[in-house]
Amino acid sequence: AQKITQTQPGMFVQEKEAVTLDCTYDTSDPSYGLFWYKQPSSGEMIFLIYQGSYDQQNATEGRYSLNFQKARKSANLVISASQLGDSAMYFCAMRVRDTGRRALTFGSGTRLQVQP
Amino acid sequence: ETGVTQSPTHLIKTRGQQVTLRCSSQSGHNTVSWYQQALGQGPQFIFQYYREEENGRGNFPPRFSGLQFPNYSSELNVNALELDDSALYLCASSLTSGKNTQYFGPGTRLTVL
Repeated sequence: AQKITQTQPGMFVQEKEAVTLDCTYDTSDPSYGLFWYKQPSSGEMIFLIYQGSYDQQNATEGRYSLNFQKARKSANLVISASQLGDSAMYFCAMRVRDTGRRALTFGSGTRLQVQP
Repeated sequence: ETGVTQSPTHLIKTRGQQVTLRCSSQSGHNTVSWYQQALGQGPQFIFQYYREEENGRGNFPPRFSGLQFPNYSSELNVNALELDDSALYLCASSLTSGKNTQYFGPGTRLTVL
């Protein structure tokens, strides 16, 4: 079975500062993908960044980067230069390459509040 | 925007009724997944459809059923609604190749009274 753990229910950050959102995962499958999604109060899940288990380099997408530490089974999201619009729920998710479905397993999320 | 649309936006039903939620996938995507997100929790996988067939199912009872159409749009049907079915229902579309990134729609918020 797969599991995602997000231990930070809520985080505060000052505008223009960087923030790290923690995510640890558990799977016995050697091939998997890790995703981060942002969910504003409107409800839509917005894809931010992807990291494959065999990727040699940490993923980056604009102000988002993923600190992937495979041995520790962690995939932390780093947001640089926080903006007020970054205030939202953030979910870490995993998909393993099993023989059937390609379902995502989500963590419980972290609520980020960016303060002016 | 992802190009994934869902209808209706909000819905209120009473216990025991049936409901149908609809999803139109992003152009070119052949796989649709449905998730249930209870208040304050992460989404939970309900099932996935690929080429009009169920391609995997989460831990949900048979009264949750679905369909996928030739144009890859999809429906989620829930029979005999229970109070605990109140949640945000999210649809996601994806391709079966590459990163298989799932792109979500805005969701349907279902309230069961």
